[in-house]
Amino acid sequence: NAGVMQNPRHLVRRRGQEARLRCSPMKGHSHVYWYRQLPEEGLKFMVYLQKENIIDESGMPKERFSAEFPKEGPSILRIQQVVRGDSAAYFCASSPPEGNTGELFFGEGSRLTVL
Amino acid sequence: AQSVSQHNHHVILSEAASLELGCNYSYGGTVNLFWYVQYPGQHLQLLLKYFSGDPLVKGIKGFEAEFITSKFSFNLRKPSVQWSDTAEYFCAVNTPRDSSYKLIFGSGTRLLVRP
Repeated sequence: NAGVMQNPRHLVRRRGQEARLRCSPMKGHSHVYWYRQLPEEGLKFMVYLQKENIIDESGMPKERFSAEFPKEGPSILRIQQVVRGDSAAYFCASSPPEGNTGELFFGEGSRLTVL
Repeated sequence: AQSVSQHNHHVILSEAASLELGCNYSYGGTVNLFWYVQYPGQHLQLLLKYFSGDPLVKGIKGFEAEFITSKFSFNLRKPSVQWSDTAEYFCAVNTPRDSSYKLIFGSGTRLLVRP
């Protein structure tokens, strides 16, 4: 499905800069999940949001990372003062509001490279 | 905490060979189980899922998986692979007891099918 839109697809930042990754869920979906995939590793859960609410941020690093999903507009994952270890693929997924069973619809990912 | 293990990180097969990818999870309660596939350059997409009922689940493209409760396993199988099955395969689990229904992924298995 091409319904979950992420941008940018590729982002290059220097250490200390900020990275903003955007995710528009599928039409009608109000649940958004962010995952990070480090090289040669699986996807690690970061945060789960519903419109205007962070529901589960148990996978978010304590510092420099934040996420939001405003009433209008895309969900944004923000990384402040990036370091080389933040280089990864960041995937967004969405699910419908009713009968959420965890079947997720993924975007194509945003690949962050920190120089 | 839940975890998912995929023991085969890389698998190479010739076309028409049979495939079995291992997946074990650790969680004592009710689980939902998933296999996702990521073809080169594409987003993750659902291959099959198990919520309840018949432990032998049929998915798309001729894939199937069997949930064996006693072994905490959900191995993926296909009797005869094709070159187009070259992709990375991820096993994932969640539990209804976690209201966020977040998926916990294994580290993935990269399958290369040689023509």
